Amino acid sequence: GNSVTQMEGPVTLSEEAFLTINCTYTATGYPSLFWYVQYPGEGLQLLLKATKADDKGSNKGFEATYRKETTSFHLEKGSVQVSDSAVYFCALSEYNFNKFYFGSGTKLNVKP
Amino acid sequence: SQTIHQWPATLVQPVGSPLSLECTVEGTSNPNLYWYRQAAGRGLQLLFYSVGIGQISSEVPQNLSASRPQDRQFILSSKKLLLSDSGFYLCAWNRDPPGELFFGEGSRLTVL
Repeated sequence: GNSVTQMEGPVTLSEEAFLTINCTYTATGYPSLFWYVQYPGEGLQLLLKATKADDKGSNKGFEATYRKETTSFHLEKGSVQVSDSAVYFCALSEYNFNKFYFGSGTKLNVKP
Repeated sequence: SQTIHQWPATLVQPVGSPLSLECTVEGTSNPNLYWYRQAAGRGLQLLFYSVGIGQISSEVPQNLSASRPQDRQFILSSKKLLLSDSGFYLCAWNRDPPGELFFGEGSRLTVL
């Protein structure tokens, strides 16, 4: 079946540090991959997405590349800010988009 | 533009009491609708999804039920709440394609 595994947190970084949050997936077909962000007390917001192998999603300085050979979609940012402190969720969807599978979330704390 | 609203934002209920959470989408027609639960410090659990009026799919057998009385309205209910029903409930919608989920602001339920 389909599943998403992401690194456990919390991840604590200093401002301007490099960020990597690992995400790997298991899928029976050719899923689309997503990263969502959740700020404290709020719902989830789409951060970026990729719909096929080798696609790179990017937004707000964050990037992730759909790697079919390693079944991964790692989230990266070159220089994090305090405002990036949030919980990040990796997710995949089946072709018909009626089901999303989410990872357990990784909490990021960025200190000034 | 499309918007999604859910209410109430916060709810404190005694064990054994009923529950009704409501979600409404505006600016689109025939959306797919979803209810997720997020327990404290944990990931997202899909509870129900609906592809049309009166069509409800349950992902996890439990104390909760869902209904879709109108095209853009999705209701989460319980006749008798349990302590384990406490959590952050998120409503979401999407279309086919592009598939990405759009989330409401969330409803925090505390069962005492």
